[in-house]
Amino acid sequence: DGGITQSPKYLFRKEGQNVTLSCEQNLNHDAMYWYRQDPGQGLRLIYYSQIVNDFQKGDIAEGYSVSREKKESFPLTVTSAQKNPTAFYLCASSSTVGGTEAFFGQGTRLTVV
Amino acid sequence: AQSVAQPEDQVNVAEGNPLTVKCTYSVSGNPYLFWYVQYPNRGLQFLLKYITGDNLVKGSYGFEAEFNKSQTSFHLKKPSALVSDSALYFCAVSPNGFQKLVFGTGTRLLVSP
Repeated sequence: DGGITQSPKYLFRKEGQNVTLSCEQNLNHDAMYWYRQDPGQGLRLIYYSQIVNDFQKGDIAEGYSVSREKKESFPLTVTSAQKNPTAFYLCASSSTVGGTEAFFGQGTRLTVV
Repeated sequence: AQSVAQPEDQVNVAEGNPLTVKCTYSVSGNPYLFWYVQYPNRGLQFLLKYITGDNLVKGSYGFEAEFNKSQTSFHLKKPSALVSDSALYFCAVSPNGFQKLVFGTGTRLLVSP
């Protein structure tokens, strides 16, 4: 059963802590993305990767870090430098062929307590 | 810079009536346009896309969208709305097929019985 899996579904973080959100896909996609969703703002791109061992900053990369050591995995770390981390985080993957749609995970809701 | 506008935060329609969710875009080059739907606390699901060819594209769940190059629009339509269509709808653009999607802020569709 192919798809993209995010874990955990809910995550609580204390101020000053780093947390890592998991994203795994078995769709054999080269490209993977992390988006942040806030009410009324749509989706904003944090980081993306088009190939293993390479990734680029998106529009709101400050306070976040990623790695792409395996094709299937693209974990996102929310660092203590991220001033307002409470949000819904969505991971996606796609082929790098132009015009193909992206597939999304079910999301992780991160709350700072 | 590319951008997507969804001018309506919310669209209300009665079940059985036709619905339209509006989207306009600004992009250099040939746009690749997408519609996604999101149910509460879930990831995004792909509905349809325009790459090239016929300006009217058909997608999942009876939805269709019309690409209008002169008006730079890609409105989502459905001839007869269902209560189960109630969700958050996102329009997105990928300039020249490059996979980094730019999303609109979303339109909440409410279909009343």
